[in-house]
Amino acid sequence: ETAVFQTPNYHVTQVGNEVSFNCKQTLGHDTMYWYKQDSKKLLKIMFSYNNKQLIVNETVPRRFSPQSSDKAHLNLRIKSVEPEDSAVYLCASSFRTGSSYEQYFGPGTRLTVL
Amino acid sequence: QQKVQQSPESLIVPEGGMASLNCTSSDRNVDYFWWYRQHSGKSPKMLMSIFSNGEKEEGRFTVHLNKASLHTSLHIRDSQPSDSALYLCAAIGTGNTGKLIFGLGTTLQVQP
Repeated sequence: ETAVFQTPNYHVTQVGNEVSFNCKQTLGHDTMYWYKQDSKKLLKIMFSYNNKQLIVNETVPRRFSPQSSDKAHLNLRIKSVEPEDSAVYLCASSFRTGSSYEQYFGPGTRLTVL
Repeated sequence: QQKVQQSPESLIVPEGGMASLNCTSSDRNVDYFWWYRQHSGKSPKMLMSIFSNGEKEEGRFTVHLNKASLHTSLHIRDSQPSDSALYLCAAIGTGNTGKLIFGLGTTLQVQP
């Protein structure tokens, strides 16, 4: 099956803990993205990588750090989570970075920070 | 201020009816619009895209684009209960980053 896979599906943690989310795509794409979808359903891009190189780094707190081992994997680490980090984190991928390339989304990881 | 504005915020149409959704970008540096559909608890799935002035039709779905006003609209004819979802409009800039800017979405409910 070719798709975008994310783990875990859900994660509940306490303020101050560190969490890591994984994303893998088997679509043969070379660009991957992390988006955050808040409680109002607003989707905002956080990072994107093209062939393991960071190309988009939006204004996000320094506690967020992406990690790419190869073009099929893009992980997200959050050091010392805060309550406002509670959201759904969506990974996406596409061929290249041009406007005309469709982005395919994974199922998301729902983070709840207590 | 959202760079991509969608209206209405929510919409209820009867089964078989026409649903019309609107989207405008306030950023002139965009050259492509995407429409995504997100069912409750699921991830967004691409519906249609448009970059040329005019109209594009795929089955029951039609998108229009006016590049001068940076306005796009999505029309769903013969709406079905399975069309009930959050419809997200996204604009992508002329730079080569692939950065999608999303609107807040329109929640469509199709009543049987």
